[in-house]
Amino acid sequence: QKEVEQNSGPLSVPEGAIASLNCTYSDRVSQSFFWYRQYSGKSPELIMSIYSNGDKEDGRFTAQLNKASQYVSLLIRDSQPSDSATYLCAALSGGYQKVTFGTGTKLQVIP
Amino acid sequence: GAGVSQSPRYKVTKRGQDVALRCDPISGHVSLYWYRQALGQGPEFLTYFNYEAQQDKSGLPNDRFSAERPEGSISTLTIQRTEQRDSAMYRCASTPGQGSREKLFFGSGTQLSVL
Repeated sequence: QKEVEQNSGPLSVPEGAIASLNCTYSDRVSQSFFWYRQYSGKSPELIMSIYSNGDKEDGRFTAQLNKASQYVSLLIRDSQPSDSATYLCAALSGGYQKVTFGTGTKLQVIP
Repeated sequence: GAGVSQSPRYKVTKRGQDVALRCDPISGHVSLYWYRQALGQGPEFLTYFNYEAQQDKSGLPNDRFSAERPEGSISTLTIQRTEQRDSAMYRCASTPGQGSREKLFFGSGTQLSVL
């Protein structure tokens, strides 16, 4: 099993809907998780981090961590076409600072 | 500069040649990371430094790959005897501190093509 796994998508949602992006992880990662957004042809940028079980909200974004089921999710409310990008789930693995990324899920928001 | 700077932006080389990729992190940033990203994939960890010390090089694919950061600022990733499978986007990132929850600031990357 890979340390961080994501469905590559694409995930298509209509404008204004809630987009739900999911990520599962193995026992080999620590309990610090990150969501990065990567627009086509650009570099990844951090949008959310979560370290504790439960929900963390920031504007239209909510990160959810369920340690018992070993999954992390990102919800995007009121999806906009500008949210169309690849969303990368990442976690600390193999040491204090090593950040491991999943393959990313491509999100398409249809106007 | 304001961000992480990588050069060259594009590098085309012939199989068997050596290449050196440069990363200039944000001024004052302590940690520097190298990742490799294939098309349609997430970044793959290669190595990272705290100041000038290479802390983890477990992601370097083989001994043709090496990295250094001699003065704790600019870093160079060197690939010797390049092969076609080395073709990818190579990304550098830096963080202000050396904590486990630091935000990675990525550069624009170097697109390497090995013919």
